[in-house]
Parts: sequence; structure tokens; C-alpha cells
Amino acid sequence: LAKTTQPISMDSYEGQEVNITCSHNNIATNDYITWYQQFPSQGPRFIIQGYKTKVTNEVASLFIPADRKSSTLSLPRVSLSDTAVYYCLVITSGTYKYIFGTGTRLKVLA
Amino acid sequence: DAGITQSPRHKVTETGTPVTLRCHQTENHRYMYWYRQDPGHGLRLIHYSYGVKDTDKGEVSDGYSVSRSKTEDFLLTLESATSSQTSVYFCAISESSYTDTQYFGPGTRLTVL
Repeated sequence: LAKTTQPISMDSYEGQEVNITCSHNNIATNDYITWYQQFPSQGPRFIIQGYKTKVTNEVASLFIPADRKSSTLSLPRVSLSDTAVYYCLVITSGTYKYIFGTGTRLKVLA
Repeated sequence: DAGITQSPRHKVTETGTPVTLRCHQTENHRYMYWYRQDPGHGLRLIHYSYGVKDTDKGEVSDGYSVSRSKTEDFLLTLESATSSQTSVYFCAISESSYTDTQYFGPGTRLTVL
């Protein structure tokens, strides 16, 4: 199972774009990359999932380079309500086991 | 939000006491999971179920057992609670494929004294 590495914490200001990079050097061919967001006292919430290149939805973009050894979650124009912990996961083909790392604690400042 | 409830939401118990946590879903999803979350460790998978009466171990299954007699209910039992099992426990569900989104419940905060 692929292990992920993320920065422990990041600070940003309201209105800025935030990019959180996750390293997953031993990702396998059929693995997917997924990001979750967690607020205090709540369960994680799905943000976005991708396999390669770029995926965009209404809240975020996910950039995955050709070698797929890393991925970057991009949050456009963050607000105070985006203060949360963000987890990068690699979903391994043939299993249903999510391996959560310790996540990146994002703090958005006014 | 996905229809997932956990009970109880908070529990304080004593070492050596058996404890059962319940996860109930109204989505008819096939897969159900139990995680624990501790500071510095993120979320770790305890057990999961891929159907009624079908369960398997996660990475931190020692001291825990599970049962799933109905699609909608997944029970986590601590046979003899220890202080190291003080944690926040999350239940999650997913529909079918391994790429499907997991939806998480609100969590149960368990304190073992």
C-alpha cells in the first residue's frame, strides 16, 4: 500500500490560492489519489479524486504529473471556513483499505 | 450528507469493561468501515465489512471485534477496554468499488479510565 507524505501545516490569507502537495513515491499503476477535508469534531469529507493529469470540481483542482509520484490539491481563493485538516490518500486497486496519513493542517487568516 | 449515525456519541467507561459502538446507515451501501483517530496518527482502519457477515481486519484490529448481521448496521466491540483505546471512532460507508467515495459518520468519543 502506497504511503503518503504531506506538510504538517500551512498558513494562508483569505482570497489566496492554496496548493498542498502530497508525495506518494510507490504509487501503483491502478491506484487512485483522493483528498479529504476534516473540520474539528467532524468526520472527513470527500473533496476530489483523480488518476492522472488534472481534475477540477466546484471546490478544488487536483494536479497529477505524468509520473504520478506526487499530487497537488489546489484551493482557489480560500476563506476562513477552509481552515481544516486536509488528507491525501492513495486508494490501492483490489483493496478497500484507505490509509490516512497525518494530514496537512491549513489555517486561513483574515 | 449521507445517512450515517453513530451511537453513542460520547462514552466514558472503565478499564476492563466491554464496550459496543454502533454504526447505522440508511444508504444501503455495501461497504462499512471503522476507524480510530488519535493525535499524531491521523485515521487508522480497525475493521471493515464488504457485506452482511463478511468482515476483514484493518491495520489496528487487535483488541477489537466487529459484527454485521444486517446491511445497515455495523457494530464495533471492545472486548475489554483499555486506556490505549481512548480515541475518537469514526464509521464510514462506501457503495461498491474501491474508488468510491467513503462517507463518514459524526464520530464517537470514547474515554477509557
